[in-house]
Formats: sequence, structure tokens, C-alpha cells
Amino acid sequence: EVQLVESGGGLVKPGGSLRLSCAASGFTFSSYSMNWVRQAPGKGLEWVSSISSSSSYIYYADSVKGRFTISRDNAKNSLYLQMNSLRAEDTAVYYCARSPSVSYAFDIWGQGTMVTVSS
Amino acid sequence: QSALTQPASVSGSPGQSITISCTGTSSDVGSYNLVSWYQQYPGKVPKLMIYEVSKGPSGVSNRFSGSKSGNTASLTISGLQAEDEADYYCCSYAAGSTYVFGTGTKVTVL
Repeated sequence: EVQLVESGGGLVKPGGSLRLSCAASGFTFSSYSMNWVRQAPGKGLEWVSSISSSSSYIYYADSVKGRFTISRDNAKNSLYLQMNSLRAEDTAVYYCARSPSVSYAFDIWGQGTMVTVSS
Repeated sequence: QSALTQPASVSGSPGQSITISCTGTSSDVGSYNLVSWYQQYPGKVPKLMIYEVSKGPSGVSNRFSGSKSGNTASLTISGLQAEDEADYYCCSYAAGSTYVFGTGTKVTVL
């Protein structure tokens, strides 16, 4: 079964850091670009970051550029998001999502992990 | 990276067809045939319904169809059913190898 499982969410104070992980299974992880998408409570979806299959290409939304770092370990079938200098507006459910290079769509999603930034 | 514009809500009776619009700019929807649509039930994970403007993933009902004209993409749901009541988001590949989502549309089946 194709599956993505996120972990690492929690409560953190403004200015703090958190590292999210996403474990992939059931497909050849190293063949796909991967992404992080977030959704603030009661709000819409927001793309956060993308990383190509070999980590050669990395992109960020302006809202997180310079604060968040996406990475992956193909040997461990894992995707990561290092989040620094967190703000209240970063509070959201964070989803990892797979995107086939041809379609540039998010075809498989994890169940999400909640990040709450509050003092 | 401004969000694509969608109507906040669209409603229809069972069996009817409804269309959700998604308006962007020449930097996203207008430049790429890489618009996708997602269905999301409350508290659930988004599900891919349409990719590359008009292609349907395996397993998705063919009652869902997509199209694009200029800077506006559209999702049409034909033969509306109670189970179609959900939130729908468009998404476009955009300049700078980024993505932009729509504001979301709540579909209500009357």
C-alpha cells in the first residue's frame, strides 16, 4: 500500500524550532518529487516547499523562505522539514505529498501532523 | 504568490451539474496546463480529483471533469450526488517552479 506518514508536530513557542518527518512506503520514493503543504485551522491549503527526487532542485513559498529547510534521505525513504523562527501564523496541519514529475500534481497525501506555535 | 480566486460556495440539487471556477494570472494558470483539483471532506486529507487541467486519476468518478480558458480553470461535477458535498481546491504550477492553491469552494448539495 502506498503510504505517507508524518510525525514531529507539536506545540512550540514563537521563535522556536521543530523538525517534521514523513516516512514513505509502498512506492519507489527516490523516483518522486516530494512536497509539504499546510492548512491553518479553518483555512485553505497552502503550498510550502518542494524537493526534486535527487534533491537537486528545492523551492519554497515566500512565506517560509529563509526559515524552513526541506530535505530528504532516499536511503531511508524519508522527507523532512526543518522549521526555524516559528511564528503564530505557521500554526497549521502540515501534510507531505507526493508529486509525479510529469503531472506536477499532489497524488498521494499523508494524514498530516499538527504544528501549534503559541506562547 | 497570491492565491487563485474561487467562489466561496456553490450549490446544486442532486442530479444537476455545477461548475467551480478558478481564476489566476498569466504567471500561473494562464502559462501552464498544470492545474489540479482536490476534494476535501471536513477533517480529512485532500484527494486528487483532476490533474493536468482535465485528466482524471484512476478510481475517480468520470462525473468530475476539468477545463481551462486563458487564466481561468474550471471543475464541473455532473450528476451531483450527496457524497460530492465537500470543499474543493484548485492548484496551479506557477512561475519560479512554485505552486499556488485556490481559496477553496464549499459545495453544498441541496
